[in-house]
Amino acid sequence: DADVTQTPRNRITKTGKRIMLECSQTKGHDRMYWYRQDPGLGLQLIYYSFDVKDINKGEISDGYSVSRQAQAKFSLSLESAIPNQTALYFCATSDGLTDTQYFGPGTRLTVL
Amino acid sequence: QQQVKQSPQSLIVQKGGISIINCAYENTAFDYFPWYQQFPGKGPALLIAIRPDVSEKKEGRFTISFNKSAKQFSLHIMDSQPGDSATYFCAATPSGGYQKVTFGIGTKLQVIP
Repeated sequence: DADVTQTPRNRITKTGKRIMLECSQTKGHDRMYWYRQDPGLGLQLIYYSFDVKDINKGEISDGYSVSRQAQAKFSLSLESAIPNQTALYFCATSDGLTDTQYFGPGTRLTVL
Repeated sequence: QQQVKQSPQSLIVQKGGISIINCAYENTAFDYFPWYQQFPGKGPALLIAIRPDVSEKKEGRFTISFNKSAKQFSLHIMDSQPGDSATYFCAATPSGGYQKVTFGIGTKLQVIP
């Protein structure tokens, strides 16, 4: 079984809709992250959480919100989706020792 | 502000050749430098990493060269194979407990037969 899972894997939605992307991990890591990947822009950090009670904004948090429901669960919400939020979204975890990132398989989101 | 500058953005190499990807950083507090490999449809995965106390680290066909004074590090893939075709990201993390990783922009490598 995968250590970091993301649901859904693909989602098509319309402008203005609220969307939630979910991430679960079985690695036992305290640290979790949400990244966005766009061609030519690499990986951009949206939000990160170093433990259940800690939430921090990343480079591109506008238009996004997160919830850390438990050590193993970290969800990303788009309150009112817009077309330029069409991208590949990755959840990741790290153990806080080396900060090696363990990525999920990604969610491809299309906003029409 | 791009704290880790990666080049080239795309690279085409013949099978058996050497692939070289370069990264430069500005923040002297960075002390962990990993490289991630991403295949299409997958998330990035750690390939190899180095700390600044060594100048080179080799794992199989993959080598990181690190130049602390120039604040540069590079990934060399020897005897490149079509299966190495992927996107490669360099990254850097500062010392200290609660720090986040900064990624380079990525290099799309294509190894042609």
